[in-house]
Amino acid sequence: GESVGLHLPTLSVQEGDNSIINCAYSNSASDYFIWYKQESGKGPQFIIDIRSNMDKRQGQRVTVLLNKTVKHLSLQIAATQPGDSAVYFCAENIETSGTYKYIFGTGTRLKVLA
Amino acid sequence: GAGVSQSPRYKVAKRGQDVALRCDPISGHVSLFWYQQALGQGPEFLTYFQNEAQLDKSGLPSDRFFAERPEGSVSTLKIQRTQQEDSAVYLCASSFDSGDYEQYFGPGTRLTVT
Repeated sequence: GESVGLHLPTLSVQEGDNSIINCAYSNSASDYFIWYKQESGKGPQFIIDIRSNMDKRQGQRVTVLLNKTVKHLSLQIAATQPGDSAVYFCAENIETSGTYKYIFGTGTRLKVLA
Repeated sequence: GAGVSQSPRYKVAKRGQDVALRCDPISGHVSLFWYQQALGQGPEFLTYFQNEAQLDKSGLPSDRFFAERPEGSVSTLKIQRTQQEDSAVYLCASSFDSGDYEQYFGPGTRLTVT
């Protein structure tokens, strides 16, 4: 399949270590955020979401942290596995006059080293 | 299948040709989004439908791009007189309703304009 994220920032981690992927968002009025994982040749896949009334949310092996003061999101992956290798995007939900759109960040490629 | 499907998966068009890309959202999903993803970039919003109503088309790059969802289910993105800069992956996503709901993405259509 086609490659995703050929020129994206890359984070390389050893298998079993924890990974932290960061994202800055643009709109202080955004109230809903999603982290996506995208493997080559596939569409983005939902990982975890968080609403603006929370600063932390945990899933299975993943944690999202939200700092609204500096408009920053992070995704923490515990015990990183080879199957976690992909490009990761954050997305913010922006409402404008009753319509909604998602604005995606630039993405980070995660490489898991065996 | 239960997911979002898109067809064709790959399309090669000669410059100046018209193309039509199809999206079958998850049954019952009210909201449908189209995105354009250039190589090495995150998805960029094109347009948004709530049922059959196109509520936001602010991301369509030119009047050569046209999207429709006449019966509130299947959607078609049409590009007239394709140009080389239209080469990208076109992603479709659907969600249960508008607002803070998870989007489910299709696998995308890779368009190459020669």
